[in-house]
Amino acid sequence: AQKITQTQPGMFVQEKEAVTLDCTYDTSDQSYGLFWYKQPSSGEMIFLIYQGSYDEQNATEGRYSLNFQKARKSANLVISASQLGDSAMYFCAIPIQGAQKLVFGQGTRLTINP
Amino acid sequence: DTAVSQTPKYLVTQMGNDKSIKCEQNLGHDTMYWYKQDSKKFLKIMFSYNNKELIINETVPNRFSPKSPDKAHLNLHINSLELGDSAVYFCASSDRTGGVGEKLFFGSGTQLSVL
Repeated sequence: AQKITQTQPGMFVQEKEAVTLDCTYDTSDQSYGLFWYKQPSSGEMIFLIYQGSYDEQNATEGRYSLNFQKARKSANLVISASQLGDSAMYFCAIPIQGAQKLVFGQGTRLTINP
Repeated sequence: DTAVSQTPKYLVTQMGNDKSIKCEQNLGHDTMYWYKQDSKKFLKIMFSYNNKELIINETVPNRFSPKSPDKAHLNLHINSLELGDSAVYFCASSDRTGGVGEKLFFGSGTQLSVL
């Protein structure tokens, strides 16, 4: 069964610094993908970035990039040049293939300090 | 135009009452979901529907009954509300059916408080 773990319950980072949010996973699927979502204090869930296991290059979306290390079963989110608006909960998620659902990690609360 | 809209945003009610949360998506997606986020922010799937057909029922008490009148709508009715039902309920839709890259589009959530 798929399992996904975020080991950092909270992180505090100075504005403009880069931050790495950890995510490790366990899956028996040969082909799989990893998602990252952001949940600001307003509560909505915002899609940030996705990468499939078959993708050769790490995904990037603006200031977000995925550091995907399949051998270590990790898919860390890197936010470059952090901004105050990046303060939020961040969730990684893995789909259960064929089961039409995403399994989410416990989340990391990121706080950007001015 | 909001892609996935759910109402109400806040719902405060007494134990034992029955309440409904409505969800509509205008993305043309075939699959819709209900997720529950508890007080520790843990997100867990409750139900999924594909083109009005129930696909997943994740051992949710039968006091919770989803209803999908058409593929653009998925409502959640809760009978005999209990204190433990207090949570944020998210509706979501997706553009692929069970695919690896199935991205979810979420509504803004409904914060349910049972007193």
